[in-house]
Amino acid sequence: DTGVSQDPRHKITKRGQNVTFRCDPISEHNRLYWYRQTLGQGPEFLTYFQNEAQLEKSRLLSDRFSAERPKGSFSTLEIQRTEQGDSAMYLCASSFGGEGAYGYTFGSGTRLTVV
Amino acid sequence: GESVGLHLPTLSVQEGDNSIINCAYSNSASDYFIWYKQESGKGPQFIIDIRSNMDKRQGQRVTVLLNKTVKHLSLQIAATQPGDSAVYFCAEKTGGFKTIFGAGTRLFVKA
Repeated sequence: DTGVSQDPRHKITKRGQNVTFRCDPISEHNRLYWYRQTLGQGPEFLTYFQNEAQLEKSRLLSDRFSAERPKGSFSTLEIQRTEQGDSAMYLCASSFGGEGAYGYTFGSGTRLTVV
Repeated sequence: GESVGLHLPTLSVQEGDNSIINCAYSNSASDYFIWYKQESGKGPQFIIDIRSNMDKRQGQRVTVLLNKTVKHLSLQIAATQPGDSAVYFCAEKTGGFKTIFGAGTRLFVKA
């Protein structure tokens, strides 16, 4: 296992287009998180999965955003009708639930540029 | 509302010196704190954590101090090396699932 993988690393899209990102967590991790990070800022929480269940969503996750984790393994984050304000780094992280296991392992992120 | 912030946006230290990165948090109910390191083009990397029932925790060359009275968290890096140059984030959890990150401090290590 080489850690958390995200694909693609970079995505440039025209405003109004739909984009989809993929995250492959560490295989034994049951928890998966999506964060968004803009330049000079810390990551902002978007959503959280425990196995295949989406248990929490941020208010940042508008109705244009949808995330899935169909089999409790990989996850996808889709943004519909992209806007320039969606330009950011989208980070995926995973962890193994349980007491004292709150540190995440992050992927290297997908950098989205909306032009 | 909840907020995690940092006192200084940038910190410059001489190689071999000790570094101290500070962080203030506002939610007294936070019970778990984490420091992450983020290098350019990479995701944040877990460094060290501390629970609210502790005041100090040590790792390899790093120490985290927690002062709950003034809601202050610090990360000390001993004998700072060029490879320590990065952005450092403090983060907090309050029960739930999400981690709240601060804005980060950029550490520059001068050779």
